[in-house]
Amino acid sequence: DAGVTQSPTHLIKTRGQQVTLRCSPKSGHDTVSWYQQALGQGPQFIFQYYEEEERQRGNFPDRFSGHQFPNYSSELNVNALLLGDSALYLCASNHSHLEVWQYFGPGTRLTVT
Amino acid sequence: KNEVEQSPQNLTAQEGEFITINCSYSVGISALHWLQQHPGGGIVSLFMLSSGKKKHGRLIATINIQEKHSSLHITASHPRDSAVYICAVRSGSGGGADGLTFGKGTHLIIQP
Repeated sequence: DAGVTQSPTHLIKTRGQQVTLRCSPKSGHDTVSWYQQALGQGPQFIFQYYEEEERQRGNFPDRFSGHQFPNYSSELNVNALLLGDSALYLCASNHSHLEVWQYFGPGTRLTVT
Repeated sequence: KNEVEQSPQNLTAQEGEFITINCSYSVGISALHWLQQHPGGGIVSLFMLSSGKKKHGRLIATINIQEKHSSLHITASHPRDSAVYICAVRSGSGGGADGLTFGKGTHLIIQP
């Protein structure tokens, strides 16, 4: 049983560009959460998707958007990239009704130059 | 908004020592997570607590809801325990998992 997978593992983008990160949840999970972790800091909650809708959102600008597909996989989109968006982006999944134990993916390291 | 504070920020110890990492939070929670993050980023969930104490191998996690405080203990520490340990809390009370609020982590190094 594959756990949470994320792609790509590393990404380099230029300021002003747009980026899409992808996450496949653990089998049986229907809820996906995205986190941003700057170097040396703890992760910060971006948003959570359930039933293809954004259910909760952290303190991130509208440049950060997402999507959840019928198969529960999810995308994180960031527009108009800033240097400060350079971070590790983590995806976590759980089953909304069975447990709240979140399983984390390996992350995508985004570098904005 | 819940504030999560961890201490110490950095900890270096010798193999075999008993390790304690502390976490305090400002607002009542429904669950607290202890996570382990190795270099490269991968995060592993160690414990999820809402009361009392849990033990898994050499790891013990405790929580005091009244004092808004949790501790993670490692007995007979080993160099492979070297990692960043992160405390995260969930404030919501509804079904499913609300977004977690994370501490900044404790960077633990166990020297042989």
